[in-house]
Amino acid sequence: GAGVSQSPRYKVTKRGQDVALRCDPISGHVSLYWYRQALGQGPEFLTYFNYEAQQDKSGLPNDRFSAERPEGSISTLTIQRTEQRDSAMYRCASAPLSGSSYNEQFFGPGTRLTVL
Amino acid sequence: EDQVTQSPEALRLQEGESSSLNCSYTVSGLRGLFWYRQDPGKGPEFLFTLYSAGEEKEKERLKATLTKKESFLHITAPKPEDSATYLCAVPNSGGYQKVTFGIGTKLQVIP
Repeated sequence: GAGVSQSPRYKVTKRGQDVALRCDPISGHVSLYWYRQALGQGPEFLTYFNYEAQQDKSGLPNDRFSAERPEGSISTLTIQRTEQRDSAMYRCASAPLSGSSYNEQFFGPGTRLTVL
Repeated sequence: EDQVTQSPEALRLQEGESSSLNCSYTVSGLRGLFWYRQDPGKGPEFLFTLYSAGEEKEKERLKATLTKKESFLHITAPKPEDSATYLCAVPNSGGYQKVTFGIGTKLQVIP
């Protein structure tokens, strides 16, 4: 079946513009995660959802970052008034709902954001 | 704060030359540790979950082990296709959904 998809794959924007990054998880996966990955680093947690509920947004750097998943499927990560320091690879992952054990996360190909 | 440290940052091996990658962690009450593989330009791909000290998991040429302070990913007789970045991660307190990743070990296997 289809894996996690993200769009756009590449986004170049000017400082001060808003951007919206989209994630389409694996069908049936309850949990959806957003990460940011700098070159040469591991993924850095941003936020996650179970169904449509945002469970933890402690990793969002500041209030310019927000995420939603209104129908419990597709999710959008929005960055307002972008700054050059926001340039990074943004990755989405999905998983079956975790309970008392860990469920592997399936990662998408990422969106490479460049802020000029 | 939970921390994950991986070493070495980069490793270059000849094909067939076995070695180990290390992942050490400082978490209060470890409840598991996860290994992922990441190929260039792609997202991480899950390899193993280890839940308790002494546990071992194997997959082809890879074997992951866990102690109370660290985990090792042993690579036996590696092949060029094993070249990738190997990431370890631990769950944060309160559940298994929020995890902290290390920076990874970039492995290059030369024919």
